[in-house]
Amino acid sequence: NAGVMQNPRHLVRRRGQEARLRCSPVKGHSHVYWYRQLPEEGLKFMVYLQKENIIDESGMPKERFSAEFPKEGPSILRIQQVVRGDSAAYFCASSLGTGSTGELFFGEGSRLTVL
Amino acid sequence: GESVGLHLPTLSVQEGDNSIINCAYSNSASDYFIWYKQESGKGPQFIIDIRSNMDKRQGQRVTVLLNKTVKHLSLQIAATQPGDSAVYFCAENRKGGKLIFGQGTELSVKP
Repeated sequence: NAGVMQNPRHLVRRRGQEARLRCSPVKGHSHVYWYRQLPEEGLKFMVYLQKENIIDESGMPKERFSAEFPKEGPSILRIQQVVRGDSAAYFCASSLGTGSTGELFFGEGSRLTVL
Repeated sequence: GESVGLHLPTLSVQEGDNSIINCAYSNSASDYFIWYKQESGKGPQFIIDIRSNMDKRQGQRVTVLLNKTVKHLSLQIAATQPGDSAVYFCAENRKGGKLIFGQGTELSVKP
């Protein structure tokens, strides 16, 4: 998957706890996207970030979810007070630019299970 | 609302046969589409893309066809192999790199 690293690969949380998912993009990529995939469904766009900026968060739930991509370090998707419905696979993707090149490289995903 | 959807959720083919996976879209302004392959437990992997100014594009063993009149695209895999077993998604690339994915078709290859 062209170097997008996500961790943890699997995360188990109890209801009400916090989940933090990390994504290191391909070296040199400054555009990061987060997608959520429920079982047996396609990926749903959540948020698009560039370094230190949120560009498009139209797919993010209004509450409990936040994302950042700091100047240094990985992008973080944070889910506060998790509920069972948050159980899903969360995929990060990165690209060099925003042109319609199709070159969006995905990580292997972080699978969140909420008990 | 706008959507990208697939006709069939599952497809089973014999090894060596050709596979055809279909996808319908509703946004007539869509101008760029991508097919992804997702193996179990992995992230989506880019297969092939096509722009709306084309109606056919070929890669290695794969061909994508786009019919803008009926807003339909298909992925053809020649000489399907066991390693092709996966879920295939079509996706529409919106401005800013945002992808709208279809539900997916699970391809199963029988030896």
